[in-house]
Amino acid sequence: SQQGEEDPQALSIQEGENATMNCSYKTSINNLQWYRQNSGRGLVHLILIRSNEREKHSGRLRVTLDTSKKSSSLLITASRAADTASYFCATGDSGGTSYGKLTFGQGTILTVHP
Amino acid sequence: DGGITQSPKYLFRKEGQNVTLSCEQNLNHDAMYWYRQDPGQGLRLIYYSQIVNDFQKGDIAEGYSVSREKKESFPLTVTSAQKNPTAFYLCASSLGQGTTTEAFFGQGTRLTVV
Repeated sequence: SQQGEEDPQALSIQEGENATMNCSYKTSINNLQWYRQNSGRGLVHLILIRSNEREKHSGRLRVTLDTSKKSSSLLITASRAADTASYFCATGDSGGTSYGKLTFGQGTILTVHP
Repeated sequence: DGGITQSPKYLFRKEGQNVTLSCEQNLNHDAMYWYRQDPGQGLRLIYYSQIVNDFQKGDIAEGYSVSREKKESFPLTVTSAQKNPTAFYLCASSLGQGTTTEAFFGQGTRLTVV
């Protein structure tokens, strides 16, 4: 079963615009991470936000986390054509029998037109 | 260079054959993961390991087996019991040591049944 569900499934924007992707999850988490995947390649880690944090920034990336709603968002500002990729959220389980489990969502395909 | 290496990049399997996918890391990470990705889909967790000589089933372990005899190696065997093995397989590692942290991914192995 998928822990994280991204929304939208696909997003198409013009260069310079902002892109917002959302992720919802079901169980208690230790942290939530965002990754990027270029077509046919491995994933690259973008940012990690812990369960006791509400917002985090890294360059043009801004991530928010609302544990009461079990949701997170990734904002990419001033997008570039090179940002075209699939973006995934991943949740790290907080313990119990799922200790150490890192579960990914379905992903959002972002296309940035020059 | 530190990193995680998967081999081979492409693998072809005949019906009824077992095949083994290699994953090696020199990052001194305790945790290692195997994921399966189908076209246009997210990552589904097959197996994960937090420490040498120990591993846990993920969400889709049936038809797969793993071993973790060395810290740096986590090979995945796709057995003949896996009825639909054609997919992109991704291996990842992370620090582990009590929490799920940033995961580093290999470049993947594309397995095709012929």
